[in-house]
Amino acid sequence: DTGVSQDPRHKITKRGQNVTFRCDPISEHNRLYWYRQTLGQGPEFLTYFQNEAQLEKSRLLSDRFSAERPKGSFSTLEIQRTEQGDSAMYLCASSLFQIGQVTQYFGPGTRLLVL
Amino acid sequence: ELKVEQNPLFLSMQEGKNYTIYCNYSTTSDRLYWYRQDPGKSLESLFVLLSNGAVKQEGRLMASLDTKARLSTLHITAAVHDLSATYFCAYTGTASKLTFGTGTRLQVTL
Repeated sequence: DTGVSQDPRHKITKRGQNVTFRCDPISEHNRLYWYRQTLGQGPEFLTYFQNEAQLEKSRLLSDRFSAERPKGSFSTLEIQRTEQGDSAMYLCASSLFQIGQVTQYFGPGTRLLVL
Repeated sequence: ELKVEQNPLFLSMQEGKNYTIYCNYSTTSDRLYWYRQDPGKSLESLFVLLSNGAVKQEGRLMASLDTKARLSTLHITAAVHDLSATYFCAYTGTASKLTFGTGTRLQVTL
């Protein structure tokens, strides 16, 4: 399978715990995006990388959230001191930033439940 | 604030009928996307519309873009049950991030 992969697919945690999610983009894609989707809503942008550089962060991304893409390949999204409001589906997408290539391809998502 | 508004939010239609989903966006953009999402699943790219007047068709779905009116439409022809899903439109402005609408949940009944 050469699509975007995410791990884990499901995570249940207790309030106050830290969680980390991983995203592996399509191999030749240089851009990687994180979105969050709550029930009944469209995905909301969190942050994106071009290669290893984090180019933009949403105001939704509080200080408890941090994302990295250390070698320009996979990315991790960490949430510290989780809150019940963090319960959502976390989606990763990747794209190839070049002329004529505009589509973002989404992974299966990580569903987080904070108890 | 950048906004994307879709209507209707929920659509129940009979198999064989035609209908149109509307997507209005609040900023100038010449890139408009349509995605499909099945319950509990991720998003599947359907169409990318890159210029004013662009029209794309795939099977029973046809998407169009009017950048002057800031309007995109997704037309469903002779609906079948397999088209039941939530459909999102989204755009990218000067940044690369996607801004999504609230989605249209389509239910096709026999």
